[in-house]
Amino acid sequence: DIQMTQSPSSLSASVGDRVTITCQASQDISNYLNWYQQKPGKAPKLLIYDASNLETGVPSRFSGSGSGTDFTFTISSLQPEDIATYYCQQYDNLFTFGPGTKVDIK
Amino acid sequence: EVQLVESGGGLVQPGRSLRLSCAASGFTFDDYAMHWVRQAPGKGLEWVSGISWNSGSIGYADSVKGRFTISRDNAKNSLYLQMNSLRAEDTALYYCAKGRRGYVSPFDYWGQGTLVTVSS
Repeated sequence: DIQMTQSPSSLSASVGDRVTITCQASQDISNYLNWYQQKPGKAPKLLIYDASNLETGVPSRFSGSGSGTDFTFTISSLQPEDIATYYCQQYDNLFTFGPGTKVDIK
Repeated sequence: EVQLVESGGGLVQPGRSLRLSCAASGFTFDDYAMHWVRQAPGKGLEWVSGISWNSGSIGYADSVKGRFTISRDNAKNSLYLQMNSLRAEDTALYYCAKGRRGYVSPFDYWGQGTLVTVSS
């Protein structure tokens, strides 16, 4: 089974800050990596697919990069509405989510 | 507009069974894979099971294999999850999610979930 780790588990940043989350797979997953946003009490929402592709309608301040085992998710300028937990997900071999990174405003 | 509406959750005793349903609308249901993902209270996301458009590919998480069965009825635009031998650790909000492309693809739409509580 492929295991996913994320860091940090939580972070606090100011509005306008650049926020970076990393995700690591236990084995090479090529670019079969997605990022989801889950706001409190809501269903997850797909933001980035195939490591770096922005889902339609998602603001351009969100971006993703990486391949193989190491991936990065970035919010270029944190906005109040970005308060959420962010999950990476591999789909190279079945589907595994990372443990999540909770983002809030300082 | 894509809509996924789950139902069938509730309080059930350990060892009993429950059947979840997901009613889909707003897209051509039989063109896409579908999945169940769960989230225990205060915890992260766990993929439970997935099924391809024609039921030719089906997968389960190890934690539910042999106890849960996924199925779909394309004529009724519906996805199902039969859950048997339920355990306390199956307590979670169960989401229905649509595959973006084929069976192995991102989940681009999610329902709001149905809560399953396993307790005596």
